[in-house]
Amino acid sequence: NAGVMQNPRHLVRRRGQEARLRCSPMKGHSHVYWYRQLPEEGLKFMVYLQKENIIDESGMPKERFSAEFPKEGPSILRIQQVVRGDSAAYFCASSPPEGSNTGELFFGEGSRLTVL
Amino acid sequence: RKEVEQDPGPFNVPEGATVAFNCTYSNSASQSFFWYRQDCRKEPKLLMSVYSSGNEDGRFTAQLNRASQYISLLIRDSKLSDSATYLCVVNMNDYKLSFGAGTTVTVRA
Repeated sequence: NAGVMQNPRHLVRRRGQEARLRCSPMKGHSHVYWYRQLPEEGLKFMVYLQKENIIDESGMPKERFSAEFPKEGPSILRIQQVVRGDSAAYFCASSPPEGSNTGELFFGEGSRLTVL
Repeated sequence: RKEVEQDPGPFNVPEGATVAFNCTYSNSASQSFFWYRQDCRKEPKLLMSVYSSGNEDGRFTAQLNRASQYISLLIRDSKLSDSATYLCVVNMNDYKLSFGAGTTVTVRA
């Protein structure tokens, strides 16, 4: 029973390039969350998605960042024209259809983005 | 003011010791509370929920003080494997979890 799968685990980009991070939720989970963790800081909520719907993107920067969770395939977090400040660990989490009322999110191992 | 604040530590304790630390939260309307554990450069994992009456899970005891808006975690009889960063987590609504920056605990032999 595979957990939350994220790829790539590590990604290096030069300033101005695009970064695409992928997340496949646990089997049976239909809710996906993206969090960003900067060094020495806590995880910051970015976006909450269900299949084909963005439910809450209040944590997403207004520009350059977008997320989707299509009917088929993984959720994608896309960062256009990356800057050094985008360097961080991006964690995806999933929860079953009843959401995270229990407080238990199942996290992937994260994608570590380094912008040169 | 941050939504969830924690003493970053580190707390360096010998094996067998008891270690305790708190976190505070700013939103009095917060509904539910949790402790997560994060090992170095790994993903966070749920350690335990925190109930109003306080609760134990083995060597771990969690307490909630709604009046003062703080949550505590106590670890008894520390093991080397307890070395990790402990994240205080507050549920603001039915899906959005707010994470503290974490308290680092190092248990030494």
